[in-house]
Amino acid sequence: DIQMTQSPSSLSASVGDRVTITCRASQRISSSLNWYQQKPGKAPNLLIYDASTLQDGVPSRFSGSGSGTDFTLTISSLQPEDFATYYCQQSYNMYTFGQGTKLEIK
Amino acid sequence: QVQLVQSGSELRKPGASVKVSCKASGHSITTHAINWVRQAPGQGLEWMGWINTNTGNPTYVQGFRGRFFFFLDISVNTAYLQISSLKAEDTAVYYCAREGGASWFDPWGQGTLVTVSS
Repeated sequence: DIQMTQSPSSLSASVGDRVTITCRASQRISSSLNWYQQKPGKAPNLLIYDASTLQDGVPSRFSGSGSGTDFTLTISSLQPEDFATYYCQQSYNMYTFGQGTKLEIK
Repeated sequence: QVQLVQSGSELRKPGASVKVSCKASGHSITTHAINWVRQAPGQGLEWMGWINTNTGNPTYVQGFRGRFFFFLDISVNTAYLQISSLKAEDTAVYYCAREGGASWFDPWGQGTLVTVSS
């Protein structure tokens, strides 16, 4: 099974900050990596698929990069609505989610 | 607009069973696979498996074999998750999600909270 490890598990930041979340796969997964945002009490929402393709309607301040085993999600300038939990998901061999990164207001 | 609408919260006693529905609107449920994801209280997302909506063939991840069942009713454009012999540790929000493209989940249902308590 492919394991996904996100870091950090939690992060405090301020509006306007640039934030990066990392996801590492236990084996190479090409670019088969997706990112989701989840707000409290809501279903996850797809942000980025295939490591770097922005889903329709997602603001351009979100970006993804990486391939192989190491991936990043970057938010270029945090907005109040971005405070949420973020999950990566590998889709190379079935599916596995990372444990999540909770982004909180500093 | 493509949507998945799930049934409402359920409260069951240990040993009982529960059925969660996931109705597709804006598209035929047969066009894309449906996946199921569990989220225990305060925890992360756990992929349970998926159902091929063309053949009705389900695939279960280890840990979700034996008491968890995925099935379809094409006539009402709906997928179902049934859990039997419920345990307290089954308390969670269960999500259905369409497999968009070839390898991501979009959209998701709004989630169904299943609470197992005596």
